[in-house]
Amino acid sequence: EAQVTQNPRYLITVTGKKLTVTCSQNMNHEYMSWYRQDPGLGLRQIYYSMNVEVTDKGDVPEGYKVSRKEKRNFPLILESPSPNQTSLYFCASSRTGGTEAFFGQGTRLTVV
Amino acid sequence: GESVGLHLPTLSVQEGDNSIINCAYSNSASDYFIWYKQESGKGPQFIIDIRSNMDKRQGQRVTVLLNKTVKHLSLQIAATQPGDSAVYFCAENMSTSGTYKYIFGTGTRLKVLA
Repeated sequence: EAQVTQNPRYLITVTGKKLTVTCSQNMNHEYMSWYRQDPGLGLRQIYYSMNVEVTDKGDVPEGYKVSRKEKRNFPLILESPSPNQTSLYFCASSRTGGTEAFFGQGTRLTVV
Repeated sequence: GESVGLHLPTLSVQEGDNSIINCAYSNSASDYFIWYKQESGKGPQFIIDIRSNMDKRQGQRVTVLLNKTVKHLSLQIAATQPGDSAVYFCAENMSTSGTYKYIFGTGTRLKVLA
């Protein structure tokens, strides 16, 4: 089954404790992206990757890192999480940058 | 369910009627537009897309209209069903610049009344 898988689905952590949210797709898609979703603000793009070893900032990259060492994986790293990073995070992939995206189920992150 | 829809504009439609959801996009250079549907507790799901060289595109029960003059996008859903109840987002992309940043609208909640 074609899918984008994020882990974990829910995470509560403390300020400053490094964490990684994993994202994996099995569709051989070139383009992958991370978004955060907050009430009243919709989805905002954090980082995207056009292909392996190619990443670029979205609209809200501060406080986040990504890597794309393999085509199927695109982890989101929070080196020192802060409470303002409490949000619902989505990973998405698409065949190319200009085609429809398939989204994961989301990761609800709470930073206390 | 998730709380992302707390502050959204809401469109209430009688089952069987047609729905029209509107979206104003921000960048006149955007050339690719997508509509997504998000049900409670799930990730957004692709509905239909349109490129800037078109002004209308039809899918199954859905039609997207693009008016580049006023930077407006609309999603029409024919014969709205209870399963259409969800939050709908438009997204724009300016792919011709070589970048693929996506900008999403804040969303509209569609409620289908039985």
